[in-house]
Amino acid sequence: DSGVTQTPKHLITATGQRVTLRCSPRSGDLSVYWYQQSLDQGLQFLIQYYNGEERAKGNILERFSAQQFPDLHSELNLSSLELGDSALYFCASSEDTLGETQYFGPGTRLLVL
Amino acid sequence: GDSVTQMEGPVTLSEEAFLTINCTYTATGYPSLFWYVQYPGEGLQLLLKATKADDKGSNKGFEATYRKETTSFHLEKGSVQVSDSAVYFCALVMNTGFQKLVFGTGTRLLVSP
Repeated sequence: DSGVTQTPKHLITATGQRVTLRCSPRSGDLSVYWYQQSLDQGLQFLIQYYNGEERAKGNILERFSAQQFPDLHSELNLSSLELGDSALYFCASSEDTLGETQYFGPGTRLLVL
Repeated sequence: GDSVTQMEGPVTLSEEAFLTINCTYTATGYPSLFWYVQYPGEGLQLLLKATKADDKGSNKGFEATYRKETTSFHLEKGSVQVSDSAVYFCALVMNTGFQKLVFGTGTRLLVSP
């Protein structure tokens, strides 16, 4: 158990809809990272937050957004969903902003029908 | 840009066989190198890491040595078990300020009794 929790575990929705994925980092970790894992793209970094502020962006679509709240939990919002957004979404956390050692949550599996 | 190349899987072995999973990297500087493991239905777990050339990371019988001259970080284990069946990801992160974790495509290992 990494100490990172993600909800929900599974999500099934339809194209055009909007969903919110939630992540709670390990106790004491200030950085939260979001990753997308799909069969065709592999594991890709989406975005990082550190202590409430956006710190780095990766291959995140404009339809996607995230935020980190004062209690350090984070939410990833996916809107105008397309079939290709079906994937596993992982959250990870680390103590610092460098992200050298990250601890991953169990993931949320999103299926867009 | 920075990238990681792993051997394609699946790698199929019998229990107690010797394991090697090849990983090479391309980076503009001197990255830290990692192996993560993903067991079925779970998130990624850090298996081992090395932060500078000639460092050897080790954990749970797995080892990998940071070879700067060959830009490699091959994963080895002397005697695999059925419980080692998982997907193994090689990854790097640069040491100069935050850079995203860059993952390889993953190598699935299947160990049969």
